[in-house]
Amino acid sequence: AQSVTQLDSQVPVFEEAPVELRCNYSSSVSVYLFWYVQYPNQGLQLLLKYLSGSTLVKGINGFEAEFNKSQTSFHLRKPSVHISDTAEYFCAVSVWETSGSRLTFGEGTQLTVNP
Amino acid sequence: NAGVTQTPKFQVLKTGQSMTLQCAQDMNHEYMSWYRQDPGMGLRLIHYSVGAGITDQGEVPNGYNVSRSTTEDFPLRLLSAAPSQTSVYFCASSYLGRTEAFFGQGTRLTVV
Repeated sequence: AQSVTQLDSQVPVFEEAPVELRCNYSSSVSVYLFWYVQYPNQGLQLLLKYLSGSTLVKGINGFEAEFNKSQTSFHLRKPSVHISDTAEYFCAVSVWETSGSRLTFGEGTQLTVNP
Repeated sequence: NAGVTQTPKFQVLKTGQSMTLQCAQDMNHEYMSWYRQDPGMGLRLIHYSVGAGITDQGEVPNGYNVSRSTTEDFPLRLLSAAPSQTSVYFCASSYLGRTEAFFGQGTRLTVV
């Protein structure tokens, strides 16, 4: 079975500062990796995904993440955040099973951007 | 382009009542799933389906039933609501074999 750990439950930053949200995973098989964002009272929206190829993945809204297989990590970064980036961010892994692909989520990281 | 539609958005139930949360998608996705979201616990898989007539249990299935009679619809039934089922419920869908999931807006359920 796979698992995901998001190392910070809350990350407060000031506007225009860089931010890193940390995610580690555990799996005995190859995984696909995702970051989702959830704005208040809304569903989850895909930020970016790693399926294969380049380990540096770029997503929407200026976010990027780097897949590190040896450290089993998939940290999310943004060089300069905006107030509008305030949201909860979820890291997720997916493995292919005979019955389809299942997503396992981390606990979430609340990013709060202050003026 | 509706995507994944969940109804209702909010619901208050009394302990012991039953209800059905509706989920419909218009993307012809084979794979549909239900998650519950609780503070500090992320999203946990309740039930999922890989196609019409096929369902299976996820991580936290107790107290919930599902059925999949069509590709489009995947309702979640609470048989006898308990306060522990107070949560936000999300329905998601994707193509089988593709791992990107599309989520509905959620149903916020309170059981008193």
